[in-house]
Amino acid sequence: IVLTQSPGTLSLSPGERATFSCRADQSVSSTYLAWFQQQPGQAPRLLIFGASTRATGISDRFSGSGSGTDFTLTISRLEPEDFAVYYCQVYTGSPSSMYTFGQGTKLEIK
Amino acid sequence: QVQLQQWGAGLLKPSETLSLTCAVYGGPFSGYYWSWIRQSPGKGLEWIGEIKSSGRTNFNPSLKSRVTVSVDTSKKQVSLKLYSVTAADTAIYYCARNHKYSYGQDYWGQGTLVTVSS
Repeated sequence: IVLTQSPGTLSLSPGERATFSCRADQSVSSTYLAWFQQQPGQAPRLLIFGASTRATGISDRFSGSGSGTDFTLTISRLEPEDFAVYYCQVYTGSPSSMYTFGQGTKLEIK
Repeated sequence: QVQLQQWGAGLLKPSETLSLTCAVYGGPFSGYYWSWIRQSPGKGLEWIGEIKSSGRTNFNPSLKSRVTVSVDTSKKQVSLKLYSVTAADTAIYYCARNHKYSYGQDYWGQGTLVTVSS
Protein backbone atom coordinates (compact mmCIF):
# COMPACT_ATOMS: atom_id res chain seq x y z
CA ILE A 1 0.00 0.00 0.00
CA VAL A 2 1.27 3.48 -0.91
CA LEU A 3 0.27 6.42 1.27
CA THR A 4 0.29 9.90 -0.23
CA GLN A 5 0.14 12.85 2.13
CA SER A 6 -0.90 16.35 1.17
CA PRO A 7 0.02 19.08 1.18
CA GLY A 8 3.78 18.70 1.36
CA THR A 9 4.02 21.86 3.43
CA LEU A 10 1.30 23.66 5.35
CA SER A 11 1.89 27.29 6.40
CA LEU A 12 -0.42 28.50 9.16
CA SER A 13 -0.46 30.77 12.19
CA PRO A 14 -1.00 29.86 15.85
CA GLY A 15 -4.68 29.65 16.64
CA GLU A 16 -5.63 28.48 13.15
CA ARG A 17 -6.98 25.07 12.21
CA ALA A 18 -4.71 22.57 10.45
CA THR A 19 -5.93 19.76 8.22
CA PHE A 20 -3.66 17.01 6.93
CA SER A 21 -4.65 14.51 4.29
CA CYS A 22 -3.46 10.92 3.88
CA ARG A 23 -4.64 8.94 0.88
CA ALA A 24 -4.03 5.23 0.33
CA ASP A 25 -3.85 3.66 -3.12
CA GLN A 26 -6.20 0.92 -1.96
CA SER A 27 -8.79 0.61 0.73
CA VAL A 28 -7.48 0.02 4.25
CA SER A 29 -9.17 -0.77 7.51
CA SER A 30 -9.33 2.28 9.75
CA THR A 31 -8.07 0.00 12.53
CA TYR A 32 -4.69 0.00 10.83
CA LEU A 33 -4.20 3.75 10.34
CA ALA A 34 -2.02 5.84 12.66
CA TRP A 35 -0.68 9.40 12.76
CA PHE A 36 2.65 10.58 14.16
CA GLN A 37 4.22 13.93 14.96
CA GLN A 38 7.96 14.45 14.66
CA GLN A 39 9.83 17.43 16.06
CA PRO A 40 13.31 18.23 14.72
CA GLY A 41 15.93 15.96 16.19
CA GLN A 42 13.39 13.76 17.95
CA ALA A 43 11.79 10.41 17.36
CA PRO A 44 8.23 10.35 16.02
CA ARG A 45 5.43 10.46 18.59
CA LEU A 46 2.20 8.51 18.22
CA LEU A 47 -0.78 10.86 18.08
CA ILE A 48 -3.66 8.79 16.73
CA PHE A 49 -4.23 5.06 16.27
CA GLY A 50 -7.18 3.27 14.76
CA ALA A 51 -7.68 6.38 12.58
CA SER A 52 -9.49 8.31 15.32
CA THR A 53 -8.33 7.30 18.82
CA ARG A 54 -5.95 9.65 20.56
CA ALA A 55 -2.88 8.09 22.11
CA THR A 56 -2.19 8.50 25.80
CA GLY A 57 -1.48 12.10 26.76
CA ILE A 58 -2.42 13.61 23.41
CA SER A 59 -4.38 16.87 23.54
CA ASP A 60 -8.01 16.83 22.42
CA ARG A 61 -7.05 19.52 19.91
CA PHE A 62 -5.89 16.58 17.77
CA SER A 63 -8.50 14.50 16.00
CA GLY A 64 -8.44 11.87 13.30
CA SER A 65 -11.10 10.73 10.89
CA GLY A 66 -11.63 8.92 7.64
CA SER A 67 -12.17 5.53 6.13
CA GLY A 68 -11.41 3.50 3.05
CA THR A 69 -8.70 5.37 1.19
CA ASP A 70 -9.00 8.87 2.67
CA PHE A 71 -7.93 9.84 6.16
CA THR A 72 -7.57 13.22 7.86
CA LEU A 73 -5.72 14.57 10.86
CA THR A 74 -7.04 17.85 12.24
CA ILE A 75 -5.52 20.18 14.80
CA SER A 76 -8.28 22.48 15.96
CA ARG A 77 -6.29 25.45 17.30
CA LEU A 78 -2.59 25.52 16.61
CA GLU A 79 -0.20 26.02 19.47
CA PRO A 80 3.50 26.94 18.93
CA GLU A 81 4.59 23.40 19.86
CA ASP A 82 2.45 21.88 17.08
CA PHE A 83 4.73 23.06 14.29
CA ALA A 84 6.45 19.87 13.20
CA VAL A 85 6.27 17.15 10.56
CA TYR A 86 3.26 14.82 10.53
CA TYR A 87 3.22 11.28 9.15
CA CYS A 88 0.48 8.79 8.54
CA GLN A 89 1.17 5.08 8.74
CA VAL A 90 -0.74 1.98 7.76
CA TYR A 91 -0.38 -1.65 8.72
CA THR A 92 -0.99 -4.29 6.10
CA GLY A 93 -1.57 -7.90 6.99
CA SER A 94 -1.16 -9.46 3.58
CA PRO A 95 0.62 -10.53 1.57
CA SER A 96 3.26 -9.44 4.10
CA SER A 97 2.61 -8.14 7.60
CA MET A 98 4.29 -4.75 7.56
CA TYR A 99 3.96 -1.03 8.17
CA THR A 100 4.22 1.72 5.58
CA PHE A 101 4.56 5.46 6.18
CA GLY A 102 3.46 8.41 4.13
CA GLN A 103 6.10 10.89 3.05
CA GLY A 104 5.05 13.46 5.63
CA THR A 105 3.59 16.97 5.77
CA LYS A 106 5.60 19.79 7.27
CA LEU A 107 3.59 22.26 9.31
CA GLU A 108 5.41 25.59 9.41
CA ILE A 109 4.67 28.92 11.00
CA LYS A 110 3.29 31.47 8.56
CA GLN B 1 7.59 5.29 32.45
CA VAL B 2 8.65 3.11 29.56
CA GLN B 3 12.03 4.02 28.10
CA LEU B 4 13.86 2.49 25.17
CA GLN B 5 17.61 2.98 25.06
CA GLN B 6 19.51 1.90 21.99
CA TRP B 7 23.16 1.67 21.04
CA GLY B 8 25.49 0.38 18.36
CA ALA B 9 28.23 1.33 15.92
CA GLY B 10 27.61 4.58 14.11
CA LEU B 11 30.14 4.36 11.30
CA LEU B 12 30.43 1.41 8.97
CA LYS B 13 32.19 0.62 5.71
CA PRO B 14 30.33 -0.80 2.73
CA SER B 15 29.73 -4.58 3.03
CA GLU B 16 29.96 -4.53 6.83
CA THR B 17 27.18 -5.55 9.21
CA LEU B 18 25.06 -3.01 11.07
CA SER B 19 24.39 -4.12 14.62
CA LEU B 20 22.11 -2.30 17.07
CA THR B 21 20.62 -3.21 20.43
CA CYS B 22 17.65 -1.72 22.22
CA ALA B 23 16.94 -2.16 25.93
CA VAL B 24 13.55 -1.63 27.53
CA TYR B 25 13.26 0.00 30.95
CA GLY B 26 10.35 0.85 33.18
CA GLY B 27 7.73 -1.34 31.59
CA PRO B 28 6.75 -4.82 30.50
CA PHE B 29 8.57 -6.62 27.72
CA SER B 30 6.64 -9.79 27.18
CA GLY B 31 3.56 -9.78 25.01
CA TYR B 32 4.65 -6.89 22.83
CA TYR B 33 5.98 -6.59 19.32
CA TRP B 34 9.15 -4.49 19.02
CA SER B 35 9.86 -2.72 15.75
CA TRP B 36 12.93 -1.33 14.03
CA ILE B 37 12.36 1.72 11.84
CA ARG B 38 14.83 3.88 9.98
CA GLN B 39 14.76 7.38 8.59
CA SER B 40 16.89 8.74 5.80
CA PRO B 41 16.56 12.02 3.91
CA GLY B 42 15.93 10.22 0.66
CA LYS B 43 13.34 7.68 1.77
CA GLY B 44 11.64 9.14 4.83
CA LEU B 45 10.46 6.69 7.48
CA GLU B 46 10.89 3.04 6.58
CA TRP B 47 9.75 0.15 8.74
CA ILE B 48 12.38 -2.58 8.82
CA GLY B 49 10.79 -5.34 10.82
CA GLU B 50 9.40 -6.47 14.15
CA ILE B 51 9.82 -9.20 16.69
CA LYS B 52 7.53 -10.34 19.43
CA SER B 53 8.89 -11.29 22.82
CA SER B 54 8.07 -14.88 21.85
CA GLY B 55 10.44 -14.59 18.88
CA ARG B 56 7.89 -14.33 16.09
CA THR B 57 9.09 -11.95 13.38
CA ASN B 58 7.84 -9.99 10.39
CA PHE B 59 10.01 -8.07 7.94
CA ASN B 60 9.78 -5.49 5.22
CA PRO B 61 10.10 -7.54 2.02
CA SER B 62 12.53 -5.00 0.61
CA LEU B 63 15.03 -5.70 3.41
CA LYS B 64 14.14 -9.21 4.47
CA SER B 65 17.07 -10.92 2.79
CA ARG B 66 19.60 -8.81 4.74
CA VAL B 67 17.95 -8.48 8.17
CA THR B 68 17.86 -10.52 11.33
CA VAL B 69 16.13 -9.44 14.53
CA SER B 70 16.55 -11.22 17.83
CA VAL B 71 15.24 -10.91 21.36
CA ASP B 72 16.65 -11.57 24.82
CA THR B 73 13.72 -11.58 27.21
CA SER B 74 15.93 -12.03 30.27
CA LYS B 75 17.64 -8.73 29.51
CA LYS B 76 14.55 -7.09 27.95
CA GLN B 77 16.53 -6.37 24.82
CA VAL B 78 15.95 -6.58 21.09
CA SER B 79 18.71 -6.52 18.50
CA LEU B 80 18.95 -5.71 14.81
CA LYS B 81 21.50 -6.88 12.30
CA LEU B 82 21.59 -5.60 8.74
CA TYR B 83 24.12 -7.33 6.52
CA SER B 84 26.13 -6.09 3.56
CA VAL B 85 25.37 -2.43 4.12
CA THR B 86 25.79 0.22 1.44
CA ALA B 87 25.60 4.00 1.46
CA ALA B 88 21.86 3.66 0.90
CA ASP B 89 21.58 2.22 4.42
CA THR B 90 22.80 5.47 5.96
CA ALA B 91 19.98 6.59 8.24
CA ILE B 92 18.81 7.16 11.78
CA TYR B 93 17.67 3.83 13.15
CA TYR B 94 14.95 3.66 15.81
CA CYS B 95 13.64 0.86 17.95
CA ALA B 96 10.03 1.21 19.02
CA ARG B 97 7.31 -0.63 20.88
CA ASN B 98 4.19 -1.59 18.97
CA HIS B 99 0.90 -0.64 20.57
CA LYS B 100 -0.32 -3.74 22.37
CA TYR B 101 -3.97 -3.56 21.37
CA SER B 102 -3.80 -1.67 18.11
CA TYR B 103 -1.33 -0.68 15.42
CA GLY B 104 1.39 1.92 15.44
CA GLN B 105 4.36 2.43 17.75
CA ASP B 106 3.71 4.09 21.12
CA TYR B 107 7.24 4.29 22.55
CA TRP B 108 10.44 5.00 20.67
CA GLY B 109 14.14 4.90 21.33
CA GLN B 110 16.27 7.98 20.91
CA GLY B 111 17.56 6.92 17.52
CA THR B 112 21.05 5.98 16.35
CA LEU B 113 22.66 7.63 13.35
CA VAL B 114 24.42 5.03 11.24
CA THR B 115 26.63 6.27 8.44
CA VAL B 116 28.00 3.96 5.77
CA SER B 117 31.07 5.36 4.07
CA SER B 118 34.31 4.04 2.69
